[in-house]
Amino acid sequence: EDQVTQSPEALRLQEGESSSLNCSYTVSGLRGLFWYRQDPGKGPEFLFTLYSAGEEKEKERLKATLTKKESFLHITAPKPEDSATYLCAVVGPEGGGKFQFGAGTQVVVTP
Amino acid sequence: GAGVSQSPRYKVAKRGQDVALRCDPISGHVSLFWYQQALGQGPEFLTYFQNEAQLDKSGLPSDRFFAERPEGSVSTLKIQRTQQEDSAVYLCASSLVQSGNTIYFGEGSWLTVV
Repeated sequence: EDQVTQSPEALRLQEGESSSLNCSYTVSGLRGLFWYRQDPGKGPEFLFTLYSAGEEKEKERLKATLTKKESFLHITAPKPEDSATYLCAVVGPEGGGKFQFGAGTQVVVTP
Repeated sequence: GAGVSQSPRYKVAKRGQDVALRCDPISGHVSLFWYQQALGQGPEFLTYFQNEAQLDKSGLPSDRFFAERPEGSVSTLKIQRTQQEDSAVYLCASSLVQSGNTIYFGEGSWLTVV
């Protein structure tokens, strides 16, 4: 069965302290890897889609990268408003929109 | 509105009661998905529609769970004879096309069974 493992479970950062979140996956024939941000009491908000190894996407202080076995979400010089849970999801060869999510990394950025 | 709309946002049900959760997808989106999210966990797939056809319902936890999308737009997730373990956030998402395309989530319906 496809598995998605995110680490660390929780991350506490000082404002400006850059760090990376990891998403490792076991799926053959990856159709897509997705990063979402989720604030408390809200639905997941789409950040990035990556389709092939070597691909990178950037948005403001966030940068997502993809290899054949894992993805990283780099947060550069974070601000308190970057505090959220970051979710990673994959779609395997069967597609159909059946996203397999990890449990998420809860990020807290303190001033 | 431009996003996925879900109602009710919050529902408290007595054990044994039936509930219905509604999802209004983004206009023009062909695919619609239901996910269940427990506290501190990632969303878990329940079921998936392409237009009015339910193509995958492998994630529905029991036959008490039923989803429909009769006209290929609005969808309803129905839970019969609710149990305490049904307490969770039920997320609806939609996408323009199927299979690997980005899905966009609503705010969720928070169900508490007492």
